[in-house]
Amino acid sequence: GENVEQHPSTLSVQEGDSAVIKCTYSDSASNYFPWYKQELGKGPQLIIDIRSNVGEKKDQRIAVTLNKTAKHFSLHITETQPEDSAVYFCAVISQAGTALIFGKGTTLSVSS
Amino acid sequence: GAVVSQHPSWVICKSGTSVKIECRSLDFQATTMFWYRQFPKQSLMLMATSNEGSKATYEQGVEKDKFLINHASLTLSTLTVTSAHPEDSSFYICSARWTRLNEQFFGPGTRLTVL
Repeated sequence: GENVEQHPSTLSVQEGDSAVIKCTYSDSASNYFPWYKQELGKGPQLIIDIRSNVGEKKDQRIAVTLNKTAKHFSLHITETQPEDSAVYFCAVISQAGTALIFGKGTTLSVSS
Repeated sequence: GAVVSQHPSWVICKSGTSVKIECRSLDFQATTMFWYRQFPKQSLMLMATSNEGSKATYEQGVEKDKFLINHASLTLSTLTVTSAHPEDSSFYICSARWTRLNEQFFGPGTRLTVL
């Protein structure tokens, strides 16, 4: 089945710095790659996603890049703010085509 | 748009009792909903896929007789934890798939504590 590896598991940055989280996947047929932000005690919130026909997508301070050949995709957050502190999960659509398979998550801490 | 609600947000019950959790898509129809379980500081683990009008598909290792799933309409799926035990204590989260673009939106989660 699909395997998703996410790195790093924890990331600490200073306010204003950039943060990058990377995920690799195993199934070359995967075609949908979302990123979720989860705050403590809450459900995951979709923050950005990318599909296999696009190499990069940007939404204000957040961007996602996809390298289908290497089977990895990354989340980039620029000008980080303390409210960006949360757990971030990457996900990939499973081989069955409907269920998301999640990475293990990255705890991002932004200090002011 | 794309709001998913869950009820209750938290529940405490005695061992041996059953607990029902509701998941609703408020502003879109979802032919497919998913149930996840999350332990502290861990990732989300898919428990089952719920399709409207048909039986749920359970992941390996998830007991279908213990975690009953019903998807009676395009906006409502329920998870019933039967004969709950302390080891069932966890954070249960549902998601609804917006068919048109394959996006999934998550509910706020339900914290279950079994005493």
